[in-house]
Amino acid sequence: DIVLTQSPGTLSLSPGERATLSCRASQTIGNSYLAWYQQKPGQALRLLIFGASSRASGIPDRFSGSGSGTDFTLTISRLEPEDFAVYYCQQYDNSPLTFGGGTKVEIK
Amino acid sequence: QVQLVQSGAEMKKPGASVKVSCKASGYTFTTYYVHWVRQAPGQGLEWMGIINPNGGRTSYAKNFQGRVTLTSDASTTTVYMELSSLGSEDTAMYYCARGGGQNSGWYWYSDLWGRGTLVTVSS
Repeated sequence: DIVLTQSPGTLSLSPGERATLSCRASQTIGNSYLAWYQQKPGQALRLLIFGASSRASGIPDRFSGSGSGTDFTLTISRLEPEDFAVYYCQQYDNSPLTFGGGTKVEIK
Repeated sequence: QVQLVQSGAEMKKPGASVKVSCKASGYTFTTYYVHWVRQAPGQGLEWMGIINPNGGRTSYAKNFQGRVTLTSDASTTTVYMELSSLGSEDTAMYYCARGGGQNSGWYWYSDLWGRGTLVTVSS
């Protein structure tokens, strides 16, 4: 199974700051089949990025994804109040599909 | 409105089974595969399996093989997840999520999620 390790576990930032979230895979993810999701309490998960760097429909351009192989990054250029949430990466290159442990972005 | 609406919370005893439903609306039901993912309290996300509502093909994660069954009913645009031999470790929120379709891979990202169904297993 491909293990995804997300870091840091928690990111404490202020609105307007830049957030950089990391996702490292235990083996190469082919075709950059990596997605990022946002989770807020009581809400459905929201797809942000697929294919490592393609923004999903309706996602603001302050969200961007990059990386390939085993190292991937989600960047939020300027945090808005609604961006404080938990973020998960997921690989869909191999079965079983796996998720990282999540990064919580909290208000400093 | 494009959405997945899941059934309500369940309370089960150890050893029992649970069946959770996920009703799709706003899109062509048979065009997209549906994943099931669970999240134990305070934990991360765990993929359970996938079903093609058009024909019923399934794939399951090894951790759940033999205990989980995914089915679909095109007449009601509903997908079901049944988990048997429940233990306390199965206490979790269970999510359905729309995956890829005939123009994408079998294993694909999910662009639409249900809000989840809480299953609590306790004696």
